[in-house]
Amino acid sequence: QSALTQPASVSGSPGQSITISCTGTSSDVGGYNYVSWYQQHPGKAPKLMIYEVSNRPSGVSNRFSGSKSGNTASLTISGLQAEDEADYYCSSKRSSNTVVFGGGTNLTVL
Amino acid sequence: QVQLVQSGAEVKKPGSSVKVSCKASGGTFGSYAISWVRQAPGQGLECMGRIIPIYGTANYPQKFQGRVTITADESTSTAYMELSSLRSEDTAVYYCARDVSMTSPSEAFDIWGQGTMVTVSS
Repeated sequence: QSALTQPASVSGSPGQSITISCTGTSSDVGGYNYVSWYQQHPGKAPKLMIYEVSNRPSGVSNRFSGSKSGNTASLTISGLQAEDEADYYCSSKRSSNTVVFGGGTNLTVL
Repeated sequence: QVQLVQSGAEVKKPGSSVKVSCKASGGTFGSYAISWVRQAPGQGLECMGRIIPIYGTANYPQKFQGRVTITADESTSTAYMELSSLRSEDTAVYYCARDVSMTSPSEAFDIWGQGTMVTVSS
């Protein structure tokens, strides 16, 4: 099963905004409002940043926001900070009650 | 605050099996889906399946069907993932993770175990 498609890397300067895309199909991203985004720092477990396309868990900064259009979901980080530098993964429910992840995007804060 | 604590690192021979445990403490266990996600060195995340303990039935992606077994013991608040016919490509960190929503999974994981390194080597 193919992973969702994310850019390998993105970068931005402190204070700027960046957007990471996540492209799937009508069998996953386009078919369900169960898209999530995770932040992962080296050697650490992933941290949930967005779930159900645009919901933020308690404690996650409102600088992080999510959206979806058709088969593509997006994560936007505004007011970039040094601590945002990490790998970001999207995921989506896929038919048969399974979850598929994107390949991951490395964010560099310049 | 719920925590998921996993069993320790394992080194296995090709062709053997490994069973990793994930014990929940500090909160409700049975009503939340528990999923298993693995990450090979330098690679991305891959979901291996999940179980809702109160229902007891596990779901697996096609890639892992027949090779992975996920179970849960409500009496000890512990979930298990057993992977058989191990090969070198199974070398990875294995995580258990709890769904953010109770009973009706959102397929989003807000609580993660610390990870268990499984190394497959002859």
